[in-house]
Order: sequence, then C-alpha cells, then structure tokens
Amino acid sequence: DGGITQSPKYLFRKEGQNVTLSCEQNLNHDAMYWYRQDPGQGLRLIYYSQIVNDFQKGDIAEGYSVSREKKESFPLTVTSAQKNPTAFYLCASSKDRGRGTQYFGPGTRLTVL
Amino acid sequence: GIQVEQSPPDLILQEGANSTLRCNFSDSVNNLQWFHQNPWGQLINLFYIPSGTKQNGRLSATTVATERYSLLYISSSQTTDSGVYFCAVQPNTGNQFYFGTGTSLTVIP
Repeated sequence: DGGITQSPKYLFRKEGQNVTLSCEQNLNHDAMYWYRQDPGQGLRLIYYSQIVNDFQKGDIAEGYSVSREKKESFPLTVTSAQKNPTAFYLCASSKDRGRGTQYFGPGTRLTVL
Repeated sequence: GIQVEQSPPDLILQEGANSTLRCNFSDSVNNLQWFHQNPWGQLINLFYIPSGTKQNGRLSATTVATERYSLLYISSSQTTDSGVYFCAVQPNTGNQFYFGTGTSLTVIP
C-alpha cells in the first residue's frame, strides 16, 4: 500500500538526549515536511525539503536537524538544544516539489521525562 | 508569514444538523487545503481547493480567492465527523504551508 509511515508511535526521552524520528514515504513525492503540534494548537513547520539533498528551515527550526539523502526518507533529530520538545510530531509529503496536495503520516508523540 | 484565522474555534452540534466553518487568510494563495484531524491525531485530507467549489458526499467547500476566504460545509452531521478541522494555505511566493488554529467540532447523538 502507498503511504507515509512514521516511527515510533510513542517516544520517551530523558532531558539532554538527542532522538531521531523516522518518516518514510513510498508515494514517489518530491517534497517532505516536518510539523510540530502542541495541545489545542495548529501545526507549525519545523523543516521542509523540496528535493533530495536540499532542505529549508521553517518557523521553528531551532533545536532540530534533518537530512534528505533519499527521496523516500526524511528523518528528524530533536537535539538537546530544543528547550521544550514534548509535542506531537507530524510528517507530510507532496508531489510537484511541494505545490500539490499534502498527505500526512500518523505522527509520533514525544515526551521528555 | 501569512496569517490564517479559523472560526468558530469550537462548535457543538446535534447529530443531523448542518454547519459552516470559515477560514480567512491575509495574502494571495495558490494552494488551500482542508483537513480533518481524528481523535488519534491522524490528519485526513478533505479538499484541495485553491479556488472554486467542490463536493464530496456530505462535505463541500468553497474558496473565494479574491476575497481571501474559504468555507467548509458539513451537512447532516454524524458523530464520526467529530474532531478538529484545519485549513492550510500556501502563499503565491514560497513553498511553506501555514495552518490555522482549527475548529474543534463535537457532534452529539
């Protein structure tokens, strides 16, 4: 089946640790996105990538890093520099270098203990 | 960046009622989408509608790009329609999407 997968579904982290969230798509989409959602809030863009080996910062990139070595994969690392990382993280993809419809994965809930 | 405002923030309906959700945006856009977020957090794409009108079953949407707003209509609401509805826009300049803060809909039997 075509779609977007994110893993893990739930993630617990101790303060000071880096963690990497996985996002994979088999839709052959050019563009991929990472969003953060806090309780009762909308989605805010962390990073996006229109093509392989290229990515741009969104509104809240501080404390996060990404890579785009393969078209189907866009992992997000939450570093210890992120002051308040507990949130729901959503990955999305779209074709046409980001000018088409966005499709979302099921999300990862990160909790910092 | 572009401002996106959704109204109302919260809505409670009796099953079978109709409703209209609104999305206002502050600049010209070439991409507008409506999403439904279910209680498990999954975002489902409802409409890609940068302009015009579309219908899908009990749902329909209209975007008037020149006046910078979009409307989502839900008719004969069902309890499964409960959740949060988001509007997301992509301005003519740039590739970033901007989301509104959503409308939380509760449909009671």
